[in-house]
Amino acid sequence: AQSVTQLGSHVSVSEGALVLLRCNYSSSVPPYLFWYVQYPNQGLQLLLKYTSAATLVKGINGFEAEFKKSETSFHLTKPSAHMSDAAEYFCAVSEAGRRALTFGSGTRLQVQP
Amino acid sequence: DAGVIQSPRHEVTEMGQEVTLRCKPISGHDYLFWYRQTMMRGLELLIYFNNNVPIDDSGMPEDRFSAKMPNASFSTLKIQPSEPRDSAVYFCASSLMGAGANVLTFGAGSRLTVL
Repeated sequence: AQSVTQLGSHVSVSEGALVLLRCNYSSSVPPYLFWYVQYPNQGLQLLLKYTSAATLVKGINGFEAEFKKSETSFHLTKPSAHMSDAAEYFCAVSEAGRRALTFGSGTRLQVQP
Repeated sequence: DAGVIQSPRHEVTEMGQEVTLRCKPISGHDYLFWYRQTMMRGLELLIYFNNNVPIDDSGMPEDRFSAKMPNASFSTLKIQPSEPRDSAVYFCASSLMGAGANVLTFGAGSRLTVL
């Protein structure tokens, strides 16, 4: 069964510092991978998705993620954190032909001034 | 488009009462999903529909939970009778079938508190 593991339930960075949120997937076939962001009291919004077209995927708000098959990873990065990036981030996976997404446990990002 | 619309946004009820959560998907979307979010279990898929037909309900916790989609623009998730452990945020999401990855668009959620 497909699954994702997010390392670190809480990550704290200083404003302007690099953001790195980790996600590893477990799938028997090449998956589709996603990062979603959730702001307080809101639903989830799509940040970016990997669909096998390119291993480096650029998303909204300056975020990007790189698919590494050899490491079964899909880590999310942003070169310079902004206060408005404080939120919870979820990695998700789906296998080809399956429409539902399986979500990781989430990583709460804090940005310190 | 107004996005995925969920109601109510907040519901407080007493144990044993019936709860009905409602969802209006994005017009034209043919998949609808119900997820539940709790601190302990994270985001769990409860059920999803394709063209109003339930495809996978293996995540529905027990017989107290039921979901329907009578038409393409409306779905309900019902809990009867409700219990305190059902307290959670329930999300509805919809998507449009196409080649490649399935991008879900989420509603704002319904926060349920069962006393």
